[in-house]
Amino acid sequence: QSVLTQPPSVSGAPGQRVTISCTGSSSNFGTGYDVHWYQQLPGTAPKLLIYGNSNRPSGVPDRFSGSKSGTSASLAITGLQAEDEADYYCQSYDFSLSGSVFGGGTKLTVL
Amino acid sequence: EVQLVESGGTLVQPGRSLRLSCAASGFIFNDYVMNWVRQVPGKGLEWVSAISWNSGRIGYADSVKGRFTISRDNAKNSVYLQMTSLRAEDTAIYYCAKGHDSSGYGYFDYWGQGTLVTVSS
Repeated sequence: QSVLTQPPSVSGAPGQRVTISCTGSSSNFGTGYDVHWYQQLPGTAPKLLIYGNSNRPSGVPDRFSGSKSGTSASLAITGLQAEDEADYYCQSYDFSLSGSVFGGGTKLTVL
Repeated sequence: EVQLVESGGTLVQPGRSLRLSCAASGFIFNDYVMNWVRQVPGKGLEWVSAISWNSGRIGYADSVKGRFTISRDNAKNSVYLQMTSLRAEDTAIYYCAKGHDSSGYGYFDYWGQGTLVTVSS
């Protein structure tokens, strides 16, 4: 069981909007630690997608956005494209574990 | 350009030891926390260990505590993971990941391509 909880899969048609949730607890999100998101395309290393809850690194399209409230966070992808088909992971720091933690990952399928 | 290149992954028998290396370039290495993250093929990501810029602060996941040791050599721009008493469940792709700052509480802004460790008799 992962410390952060994500749905195993989501799907959407091209052009649609999808959201991926990430649920934490009082020892990570609730303590004020930020959530970060990574995209992992098939056969490649993870890539930073969103940092500090809602910030996009240079080069990440503004179709990707993130938010966090209390012990929950979400990643939204608008204008879904075929190349968005990938695994998405949330990550934070956990005070009680004294280390970083990941969600179990969500597989996005573009129909 | 930031580059992280892992090496050392191989097939190893249960109970044996293995040392992974990560060579970094393209940034001021001794300004940042460095991490190891692993991924069982087809499964999710698991943070393994982190080391601060001066090796003064080190952390491990419970699953590897007491068996794995992280270290770094700032003169060689390298970070290492010494793995002992290896188990089948340690089989994974091991990624080297750069922390975005020196705190160790944040995110991983660059990742290597990974090195595969297979623990099997």
